[in-house]
Amino acid sequence: DTEVTQTPKHLVMGMTNKKSLKCEQHMGHRAMYWYKQKAKKPPELMFVYSYEKLSINESVPSRFSPECPNSSLLNLHLHALQPEDSALYLCASSQANLASAGTEAFFGQGTRLTVV
Amino acid sequence: GQSLEQPSEVTAVEGAIVQINCTYQTSGFYGLSWYQQHDGGAPTFLSYNALDGLEETGRFSSFLSRSDSYGYLLLQELQMKDSASYFCAVRAPGGFKTIFGAGTRLFVKA
Repeated sequence: DTEVTQTPKHLVMGMTNKKSLKCEQHMGHRAMYWYKQKAKKPPELMFVYSYEKLSINESVPSRFSPECPNSSLLNLHLHALQPEDSALYLCASSQANLASAGTEAFFGQGTRLTVV
Repeated sequence: GQSLEQPSEVTAVEGAIVQINCTYQTSGFYGLSWYQQHDGGAPTFLSYNALDGLEETGRFSSFLSRSDSYGYLLLQELQMKDSASYFCAVRAPGGFKTIFGAGTRLFVKA
């Protein structure tokens, strides 16, 4: 199984809503990532979890709250978002061995989020 | 810091060969990766070069010259399905942060 599964595929939420994005992988990867991607732009790293611990937070606003409940799951909790937060949110996973820095990252299909 | 430069668009015809270049500036270097992304899809890993030279995977090859801080992705026998965005990427030293180039949109014409 070389898949990263993200749910939901599409999400429309109001600025006062609370919602969560979910990501799951069963490849035994111990590094998991959240990226944000705007149209015609590259993915921008938001958070990295390594062995279920947050290792990178790219100065993301607190209205985005990540959670890694176990080695297979990654969540992104959303609260009080702004319209400019509308984007494709991608989850990815990879091996956590830093010695193999070019280790392939597997991406999920993303959640297309629209904030109204 | 890290930065990568690649052309914004490339157009080629079916059956041709196209080369997408990437130059990088990094404070440490751990290899150059390439990803393909179709519109509406997820990025898909294509290749990785840690050492100088050419890596070949089917119709795709990737090249790296560390002395020139330069690499390229070579696509042969282009097919319509190769129309996509291609990103070069480097890993920041000491961690998991991957920096992506702005991406090159490849248009393959019949």
